[in-house]
Amino acid sequence: EDQVTQSPEALRLQEGESSSLNCSYTVSGLRGLFWYRQDPGKGPEFLFTLYSAGEEKEKERLKATLTKKESFLHITAPKPEDSATYLCAVRSTGNQFYFGTGTSLTVIP
Amino acid sequence: GAVVSQHPSRVICKSGTSVKIECRSLDFQATTMFWYRQFPKKSLMLMATSNEGSKATYEQGVEKDKFLINHASLTLSTLTVTSAHPEDSSFYICSARGGDSPLHFGNGTRLTVT
Repeated sequence: EDQVTQSPEALRLQEGESSSLNCSYTVSGLRGLFWYRQDPGKGPEFLFTLYSAGEEKEKERLKATLTKKESFLHITAPKPEDSATYLCAVRSTGNQFYFGTGTSLTVIP
Repeated sequence: GAVVSQHPSRVICKSGTSVKIECRSLDFQATTMFWYRQFPKKSLMLMATSNEGSKATYEQGVEKDKFLINHASLTLSTLTVTSAHPEDSSFYICSARGGDSPLHFGNGTRLTVT
């Protein structure tokens, strides 16, 4: 069964305390893994697409990596403005999108 | 980057009335648009997928007569909640995709039915 699991469900970090969010997936043929940021009351904002194991993408304090079974979103020296829910999604070769339930990140000043 | 505009952002309506939500891709042609419902602190629940010029495909358990979807052009899809009831109150989000690109989301519509 195709599915996406994100962990942890919630994460509280001190400002400057680096950490990683996990997205584990099982899918019948991966056509892309996507990371989004969602602020309360807003739609998800696209961050990264990863297509193959070993691929990495970076944007400011965020770095996404991909293996054959999971993806990590590394947050280096986070700031309070990084607080949000981070969603992971995968697209299968059947063109279906599967979303995780998200990790709610809170960065404390 | 790709922009998806969703309107209105908030709507309050009385029970029994209908509400239309618009989703527009502003700078790309969206061959496929998706409609989601999101409950507090929960992930996105896919309601339906629409392709331009054809009937929408609804997910299991979603009433097609209640949630009318029209994808009349490559830049516009609408979701009409018919005969709304308080249990339809929710956050509705659309997303759009052109070809092989990632999904891009609208900013959502908070529907409150009184």
